[in-house]
Amino acid sequence: QQPVQSPQAVILREGEDAVINCSSSKALYSVHWYRQKHGEAPVFLMILLKGGEQKGHEKISASFNEKKQQSSLYLTASQLSYSGTYFCGTFWGAQKLVFGQGTRLTINP
Amino acid sequence: DVKVTQSSRYLVKRTGEKVFLECVQDMDHENMFWYRQDPGLGLRLIYFSYDVKMKEKGDIPEGYSVSREKKERFSLILESASTNQTSMYLCASSLFGTAYSNQPQHFGDGTRLSIL
Repeated sequence: QQPVQSPQAVILREGEDAVINCSSSKALYSVHWYRQKHGEAPVFLMILLKGGEQKGHEKISASFNEKKQQSSLYLTASQLSYSGTYFCGTFWGAQKLVFGQGTRLTINP
Repeated sequence: DVKVTQSSRYLVKRTGEKVFLECVQDMDHENMFWYRQDPGLGLRLIYFSYDVKMKEKGDIPEGYSVSREKKERFSLILESASTNQTSMYLCASSLFGTAYSNQPQHFGDGTRLSIL
């Protein structure tokens, strides 16, 4: 039931761009995105709702493709502070939010 | 800001013990969740609750139970702890949450539980 994220890990240099994908086998009504730094709690980034527009947070934006049952997270001109593990979450049933396995992003100077 | 507080950051217990993990939120949220986090497996939902005394199974409920007697408190119980329950446990809450809403989840700092 978990959504599938790809890639599992990414290593970038500061200033480079990255894309993280989240795919579901079930029709999507919304997608949540969170970031977790090592040793810390996951922190909310954004929610995309079906029929909604692309959203942004700092230089991080996301899109929602209903037909492909997929969401993508775009990190532009990455900063060292963007390092961490990114999780997408989708709903199975009305209230059950389940998360993907995570994508570990490492930004090097 | 929403505050989700888990009672312990680190906990060491022995096999067969009954273990209680406590979670308290201070924002009158309807929904509360317990997740387990293991390397490479992401966040897996154990149980969630959408109201006092109400609970629903998540993806991996076996070996666990929960209790929600008051709106602000959600407890995870390991009935008879086993070594394969060694993990990081994360509690979360949301104001209300459905597939059609825009309410985020707020997480606690986690409890790293070791079963010896």
